[in-house]
Amino acid sequence: AQSVTQPDIHITVSEGASLELRCNYSYGATPYLFWYVQSPGQGLQLLLKYFSGDTLVQGIKGFEAEFKRSQSSFNLRKPSVHWSDAAEYFCAVGGYNKLIFGAGTRLAVHP
Amino acid sequence: EAGVAQSPRYKIIEKRQSVAFWCNPISGHATLYWYQQILGQGPKLLIQFQNNGVVDDSQLPKDRFSAERLKGVDSTLKIQPAKLEDSAVYLCASSLGVGGNTEAFFGQGTRLTVV
Repeated sequence: AQSVTQPDIHITVSEGASLELRCNYSYGATPYLFWYVQSPGQGLQLLLKYFSGDTLVQGIKGFEAEFKRSQSSFNLRKPSVHWSDAAEYFCAVGGYNKLIFGAGTRLAVHP
Repeated sequence: EAGVAQSPRYKIIEKRQSVAFWCNPISGHATLYWYQQILGQGPKLLIQFQNNGVVDDSQLPKDRFSAERLKGVDSTLKIQPAKLEDSAVYLCASSLGVGGNTEAFFGQGTRLTVV
């Protein structure tokens, strides 16, 4: 069965600091992996996705993520966080016919 | 390109009442999803349609929830009767392809409060 674990419920970083949000997945075959961002009162917006090929994928707003099959991980990174990045971030795994989300990580950014 | 449209944006009802949500997906998208997002949690898939057929409804509480997608386009999700624990944001999403290997586009959601 598909599942996604985001170990960090809440993370706080200072503006300009680097960021890494963790995501671990469980799926029996090669997964399709996604990171979405949700601002308050809004729907989910896709940041980036991994289907195959290069394990380091670039997304919008300066985000990137690295797929590590050996660790069943797909961590999201950003070298320098902006105040506007404060939001909730969801990792998702797509299998044969489902898209399953993790519980999310809420990011707060200090000035 | 127009996005996924949902209405209403907000709804407050009393327990045991009924409520319906509407979703208009992106034109041409074969797959339509309804997710329930309880405060502080990730979206939980309730039902997934491919065109007008149901692909997965394993987590839909069928004693009170129902959904349909007529003509493979618009969809409605109904709750009857509502319970307090149904308070959540109901998100509709659509994708061009079938299944979990294509990008899903989300609407802004309907926030339901059951009092």
